[in-house]
Amino acid sequence: GQQLNQSPQSMFIQEGEDVSMNCTSSSIFNTWLWYKQDPGEGPVLLIALYKAGELTSNGRLTAQFGITRKDSFLNISASIPSDVGIYFCAGRGTGGFKTIFGAGTRLFVKA
Amino acid sequence: SAVISQKPSRDICQRGTSLTIQCQVDSQVTMMFWYRQQPGQSLTLIATANQGSEATYESGFVIDKFPISRPNLTFSTLTVSNMSPEDSSIYLCSVEEMGQTFYGYTFGSGTRLTVV
Repeated sequence: GQQLNQSPQSMFIQEGEDVSMNCTSSSIFNTWLWYKQDPGEGPVLLIALYKAGELTSNGRLTAQFGITRKDSFLNISASIPSDVGIYFCAGRGTGGFKTIFGAGTRLFVKA
Repeated sequence: SAVISQKPSRDICQRGTSLTIQCQVDSQVTMMFWYRQQPGQSLTLIATANQGSEATYESGFVIDKFPISRPNLTFSTLTVSNMSPEDSSIYLCSVEEMGQTFYGYTFGSGTRLTVV
């Protein structure tokens, strides 16, 4: 079945540093979604991408839909302590609404 | 976007018992989704709940273990039956955000279940 490979699994960074994480798949997706999950909460949508090559920003966050439709990345610039959490990518495939989530990237930011 | 109220937020249950999780949405939605998030893991879809029809379960999940109700367009329940410690997870309900196109999913805050 479809799978997403999300990397890195975890990141330990200093406040102010930039962060990059990505997801790849052997399958083509129509939509890429990036979520953040804080402890004790459900995932919250950060950015949605709808077409190949699309580059979208949300504040300090920037995400891109890969031109092959099989990958996406998320960048966070000038990280701050509240960026700590788990970031999930999700791909919504062709032929329906089924969505697959990556394993998550756990971000730790040291002040 | 939709606002989802999910309860209980957490519970500790004895093995062999059942727990029903409720999900209330502040707007009418066609489809509601139930996910499981095992400790340190990603989200796995359990089933899709449509109002007025049987829920559609993903591979590895069965109705006897995870019965779902969907009595109207704003409410759904998931029951975790005959629980064992392996059922200890976060359970999340979710809805699609749809307009002229698909905008993503909104999640409830989750139910953290511990089975002892």
